[in-house]
Amino acid sequence: GDSVTQMEGPVTLSEEAFLTINCTYTATGYPSLFWYVQYPGEGLQLLLKATKADDKGSNKGFEATYRKETTSFHLEKGSVQVSDSAVYFCALRGLTGGGNKLTFGTGTQLKVEL
Amino acid sequence: EAGVAQSPRYKIIEKRQSVAFWCNPISGHATLYWYQQILGQGPKLLIQFQNNGVVDDSQLPKDRFSAERLKGVDSTLKIQPAKLEDSAVYLCASSLERGTNSLLYEQYFGPGTRLTVT
Repeated sequence: GDSVTQMEGPVTLSEEAFLTINCTYTATGYPSLFWYVQYPGEGLQLLLKATKADDKGSNKGFEATYRKETTSFHLEKGSVQVSDSAVYFCALRGLTGGGNKLTFGTGTQLKVEL
Repeated sequence: EAGVAQSPRYKIIEKRQSVAFWCNPISGHATLYWYQQILGQGPKLLIQFQNNGVVDDSQLPKDRFSAERLKGVDSTLKIQPAKLEDSAVYLCASSLERGTNSLLYEQYFGPGTRLTVT
């Protein structure tokens, strides 16, 4: 079945540092890939997405490129801010079932310090 | 545009008690989802409704969990009786999707209900 593996946290960075959160997936065919962010006390918010190989999703300075050859969708940001502190979830929407089902990774907590 | 509403935000119950959660999706959204998020894990889909019909409930523990969406709008998720391992955040999401083959419609999540079973 479909699965998502992402790096364990917490990841602690200083403000303005470069961020990479690794995500790899297992799925049949060409799933759609997503990054969601969950700020403390809030629900999940879609951060960015990519629906086909080599697509790059971007939003709020975050980027991720859909790499079919490595089945990866790593999240990057060039300069993190304290306000980026949150839990980040990688997810895929597979092609089986047709029900728009999302499969999530376990989440990576990011802490950004001054 | 109002987002997905959920209530209550927090609930503490003893094991073997029953509990119900309520969700009101974004207006016009045909598809509604309930997810369970255990601490340290990603959300897991429990059940998906398309209007008032069930699309996928393969991961719903049907011996104790039930859900309904009678008028195709708001929904309730019930646990009876609760177990310690049901402690989690229960997330509701909705999307515009009106068919089972669309891959285009984004899911919008509510703030969740944090359940603690003691």
